[in-house]
Amino acid sequence: KNQVEQSPQSLIILEGKNCTLQCNYTVSPFSNLRWYKQDTGRGPVSLTIMTFSENTKSNGRYTATLDADTKQSSLHITASQLSDSASYICVVSGQAGTALIFGKGTTLSVSS
Amino acid sequence: NAGVTQTPKFRVLKTGQSMTLLCAQDMNHEYMYWYRQDPGMGLRLIHYSVGEGTTAKGEVPDGYNVSRLKKQNFLLGLESAAPSQTSVYFCASSPWGTDYGYTFGSGTRLTVV
Repeated sequence: KNQVEQSPQSLIILEGKNCTLQCNYTVSPFSNLRWYKQDTGRGPVSLTIMTFSENTKSNGRYTATLDADTKQSSLHITASQLSDSASYICVVSGQAGTALIFGKGTTLSVSS
Repeated sequence: NAGVTQTPKFRVLKTGQSMTLLCAQDMNHEYMYWYRQDPGMGLRLIHYSVGEGTTAKGEVPDGYNVSRLKKQNFLLGLESAAPSQTSVYFCASSPWGTDYGYTFGSGTRLTVV
């Protein structure tokens, strides 16, 4: 069964610290993997999208990595800010034309 | 610069009532989607459309109907609302499908009592 598992479920860090969120998937065949940020009461906003040939992609303080062999991805947030408090969702796309598979998300809380 | 606009933002329905959620996009995207988001679960696809006049069922289509009469609009209908349909509904659009980035609306929070 195609699944996307994220860990941890929730995380609390101090402002200025770094953190890494994990995503494991079983989707096959694989087309691309994306990370979304969802603020409370808002829709998801795309951070990165990677195909199977890409190992890393950055968007400001957000860096996503992908290991298509082990079917793992991570999202690293550098020098966290209060505005980083949100849910981060890993989404995997199978072969072209199939639906996206969403993880349940990791809720990040950044405190001062 | 609106992107994807959903109306209404909030709604409370009584069991058995009907309503329509409207999604409008101004990016000339071909594909549009309706998702629901429930606590502790990932977003689940209800229905989607690959172009004007076409619709298809997603993962959880029961109890919902959709229409795409105009390219920029995608309507989600609930004919007879049930408490199990209490959820946050998100509309999204993409240029050509799952290989491209999705743009999401800000959501509609629906409560069925």
